[in-house]
Amino acid sequence: DAGITQSPRHKVTETGTPVTLRCHQTENHRYMYWYRQDPGHGLRLIHYSYGVKDTDKGEVSDGYSVSRSKTEDFLLTLESATSSQTSVYFCAIISGWTSTDTQYFGPGTRLTVL
Amino acid sequence: KNQVEQSPQSLIILEGKNCTLQCNYTVSPFSNLRWYKQDTGRGPVSLTIMTFSENTKSNGRYTATLDADTKQSSLHITASQLSDSASYICVVSLDRGSTLGRLYFGRGTQLTVWP
Repeated sequence: DAGITQSPRHKVTETGTPVTLRCHQTENHRYMYWYRQDPGHGLRLIHYSYGVKDTDKGEVSDGYSVSRSKTEDFLLTLESATSSQTSVYFCAIISGWTSTDTQYFGPGTRLTVL
Repeated sequence: KNQVEQSPQSLIILEGKNCTLQCNYTVSPFSNLRWYKQDTGRGPVSLTIMTFSENTKSNGRYTATLDADTKQSSLHITASQLSDSASYICVVSLDRGSTLGRLYFGRGTQLTVWP
């Protein structure tokens, strides 16, 4: 699992509340990713980071922000959660920075927005 | 438009049988193709990674093939086991030279192995 943990693992919240999901890795990997996974869709990239304070948007970034102040932590924030953000969120890292390095995923966070 | 399409969407086979999953892609320029296995309730796990020059790669009972000319890949599972029940996801990487390019995910094939 490349030392990836996600917290919380499950969360239920109400529409309009802020939510922060945390991804923590222990092996000093440079690249970190946040994906969401919904029925009928493949994994979709929300944001990614290529270093401390270096982040960029993915294909479904609206309504989400991220921060990476330390190598080991990549935070995903929903500023004002909506029901459409109910999903399973996966954090991932790439073991290196070349095109064929292996991608590892965390265990996922199941978020329900009521 | 860069896309990854997988077929079938779902598949049921009996334990001990073989099966083949398909992946077609339009991602260009192509860097590499990956197959992931995702057990229910868990994150995906990488099975194989193939570059343009590789036609086949094996990982135990899993064998992936790649035809870069027709932009097709297959994942063959031999002598299936109950533990093979999972979603199998095809992922194609965009070429950005030696560094990692964007990854495009298929929607997966849900495989169920019955005893």
